[in-house]
Amino acid sequence: EPEVTQTPSHQVTQMGQEVILRCVPISNHLYFYWYRQILGQKVEFLVSFYNNEISEKSEIFDDQFSVERPDGSNFTLKIRSTKLEDSAMYFCASSGINEKLFFGSGTQLSVL
Amino acid sequence: GQQLNQSPQSMFIQEGEDVSMNCTSSSIFNTWLWYKQDPGEGPVLLIALYKAGELTSNGRLTAQFGITRKDSFLNISASIPSDVGIYFCAGLRDNAGNMLTFGGGTRLMVKP
Repeated sequence: EPEVTQTPSHQVTQMGQEVILRCVPISNHLYFYWYRQILGQKVEFLVSFYNNEISEKSEIFDDQFSVERPDGSNFTLKIRSTKLEDSAMYFCASSGINEKLFFGSGTQLSVL
Repeated sequence: GQQLNQSPQSMFIQEGEDVSMNCTSSSIFNTWLWYKQDPGEGPVLLIALYKAGELTSNGRLTAQFGITRKDSFLNISASIPSDVGIYFCAGLRDNAGNMLTFGGGTRLMVKP
């Protein structure tokens, strides 16, 4: 069964450093998303991406965040200057036209 | 932002028992999704509901989309140890694109 894959599974970084989280969505999907989950809390929407542009973004997705689809298969989330409070599990998701979102296994980001 | 109130927050049940959890909102959602999350993993889609009043089953799982479009429930019949995990409801609203709003989750523990 096709799945969303994310790399790395764990990322440790120093505060102020840039990180790039990578995702390969399901190949025939058109919508791509990033969500995050702070430990013990609910999953929160960050951004959705369709037709090579951001379609929705939340208040969390400030100027420190950016997304890119550099080629036909990858979808990346960049955090330009990480803060302690960016520590969370980051989930990539994708969907086709039926609004069923499929999530990857996540990247655990730890900012020290 | 819009809130989904999910209850109960946690349940500790005996293997073989039936389980029921629900989500309510003050806002209308046009799609309800139910996910299960295992520790360290991404949410896995269990059931998707698209129409008010819709009742859908997936094996031992049954979910319903409330008539008012402001609530949904998930039932698990004859629970087994591998049902352990956190169950999340998630909703999509008409004017929010594909941005999912998640409930706070129900942590299910099953005693063999």
